[in-house]
Formats: sequence, C-alpha cells, structure tokens
Amino acid sequence: DTGVSQNPRHKITKRGQNVTFRCDPISEHNRLYWYRQTLGQGPEFLTYFQNEAQLEKSRLLSDRFSAERPKGSFSTLEIQRTEQGDSAMYLCASSLGPLYTFGSGTRLTVV
Amino acid sequence: KNEVEQSPQNLTAQEGEFITINCSYSVGISALHWLQQHPGGGIVSLFMLSSGKKKHGRLIATINIQEKHSSLHITASHPRDSAVYICAVIVTSGSRLTFGEGTQLTVNP
Repeated sequence: DTGVSQNPRHKITKRGQNVTFRCDPISEHNRLYWYRQTLGQGPEFLTYFQNEAQLEKSRLLSDRFSAERPKGSFSTLEIQRTEQGDSAMYLCASSLGPLYTFGSGTRLTVV
Repeated sequence: KNEVEQSPQNLTAQEGEFITINCSYSVGISALHWLQQHPGGGIVSLFMLSSGKKKHGRLIATINIQEKHSSLHITASHPRDSAVYICAVIVTSGSRLTFGEGTQLTVNP
C-alpha cells in the first residue's frame, strides 16, 4: 500500500466549470476525510465517511459540493459551477482509529 | 477564538538552534497530532499524543492534558526542517481533526 493517493495533483479550470477530484485511501482505513486549505491557513473540515456512509458535512460544503464513497473504497469530491473562491488545496486523509494518513492534495485554481 | 491556537505564527532560526512551537486548545480531546507540511502541500504526521512525551530523532513532542497545551521541540535545527508545522486535535467523542493555523518555520544555514 503506497499511502493515500489523490488525483489530479493540480487542476486549473475556468469559472463555471465542474471539477471532480479522486482520493484512494489506505485500504485498511475505514474513515476518509476531505479538508480544504487556503494559503496561510490550516486545513478546514469539509466532510467524512465511515466506510460508504457520509457521516458529517461541514457548513462550508455548499450545495455545489458533493462527495461520494461508493463501496467504501475510493472517494470523489465534485464541485459544480466553480467560483474563484473555490481555489484552494483539497486534502484527503484516511484513518484507522486516531492514526491519520494524508494525501498530497489537489491544488485547484479557478480562473 | 479558534479551538486550536499555535504560536508563533512565523519563526526564523539559525541552523543548530533549539526550536519550540506551542499549541493550546480549548476543547476536550482524545488525541493531538503534530503535522509537518512542506511547500507543495503534502502533510506528514510527526506525532500523535494523548499524554506525556514522545521523541523521534531530533523531534520531541509533549502534552499537558490538564493545561490543554502541547509543545513541539526541534533540537539542533537544520535548513531541511523548514516547513509549516501544524497542531491538530481530535475532539473527545469525535474522529475528525481540528487544525491550528500552523507555524511557518524557516531555518537559515
């Protein structure tokens, strides 16, 4: 297992377009988290899954954001009708108990 | 007021100096993580603490549960230690991490 994998690493998109990011967690980890990080700030929680169930969503996650984790394996985060304010690093992490492993993130730039 | 606060926000040191980064939190926690983030975004977990002290190489992390405070120490700092160091907690009965804003450390040769 090579850790948590995120794709793509970088995404540049025009305002109004839809984007989708993928996260492949460590296979033994039952929980998967999405965080968003803007420059100079710590990551902010977006949502998390335990197996395939989405257990919590932040108020930061507007209706334009949706996340899925079919079959409790990989997860996707989709942003519809992107806005410039969506530009950020999107981080995925997986955990088993209190032990976390982070992916390298997807950096989104909306132009 | 953030639930997790770090100080200082920025720290510049000369190679070889002893470095301390502090983290205070205002909530009950089940665990505290110290994380390292290099330019480019990747986050690496350095320590997970629920009590006491841990040491790994030149890094030492301590936590005082009663005072709701943790420190990360770097002995004999090196330019490759330059990174953002982030404190994050798992709130009691929760599972997700709540992060501090990070400390940007720059170690000059």
